[in-house]
Amino acid sequence: KQEVTQIPAALSVPEGENLVLNCSFTDSAIYNLQWFRQDPGKGLTSLLLIQSSQREQTSGRLNASLDKSSGRSTLYIAASQPGDSATYLCAVDPANQAGTALIFGKGTTLSVSS
Amino acid sequence: DAGVTQSPTHLIKTRGQQVTLRCSPKSGHDTVSWYQQALGQGPQFIFQYYEEEERQRGNFPDRFSGHQFPNYSSELNVNALLLGDSALYLCASSPTVHTEAFFGQGTRLTVV
Repeated sequence: KQEVTQIPAALSVPEGENLVLNCSFTDSAIYNLQWFRQDPGKGLTSLLLIQSSQREQTSGRLNASLDKSSGRSTLYIAASQPGDSATYLCAVDPANQAGTALIFGKGTTLSVSS
Repeated sequence: DAGVTQSPTHLIKTRGQQVTLRCSPKSGHDTVSWYQQALGQGPQFIFQYYEEEERQRGNFPDRFSGHQFPNYSSELNVNALLLGDSALYLCASSPTVHTEAFFGQGTRLTVV
């Protein structure tokens, strides 16, 4: 059964710092992996989607990598800003598990101070 | 493009009552999924609809049911509400299965 873990659960950094958020998953059989941002009490905003055959995706200051063989993905945020403060969730679409769509980690809550 | 829209935004119900939540997918999307998110947790999959059929179902009791209409909009129904059903309910749509998911703003359900 696929499980997704995100470490750390919370992270505080000063403005301008580059940072890395980690996501690990237990089964490498996935269709894709997606990173989301969630502001308190709000819905999820899609940041990046990495297909199973891809190694990385970039959007502005964000770069996400995928290493299926090791069951890991990282989200790199360059030059962090206070507006980046939110909870970041990763989710996998498993290829070997019926009865599910996306499986989520619990998220990393990021606080960027000015 | 209006994106994924959910209604209502907030809802307060009493234990034992029934509730219906609604979702309109992004234009051109035919796949709708529902998730439940408790405080401090990641979203948990409830079920997925594709071409008006329930395609996948997560580990939720039969009190949770749904429907997808010909225009691809969807409803989530919960019967016999329990206090533990209090959560943020999220709807996501995709162009088809196994593609990028786009989420609505959610419906905050409080059961008292």
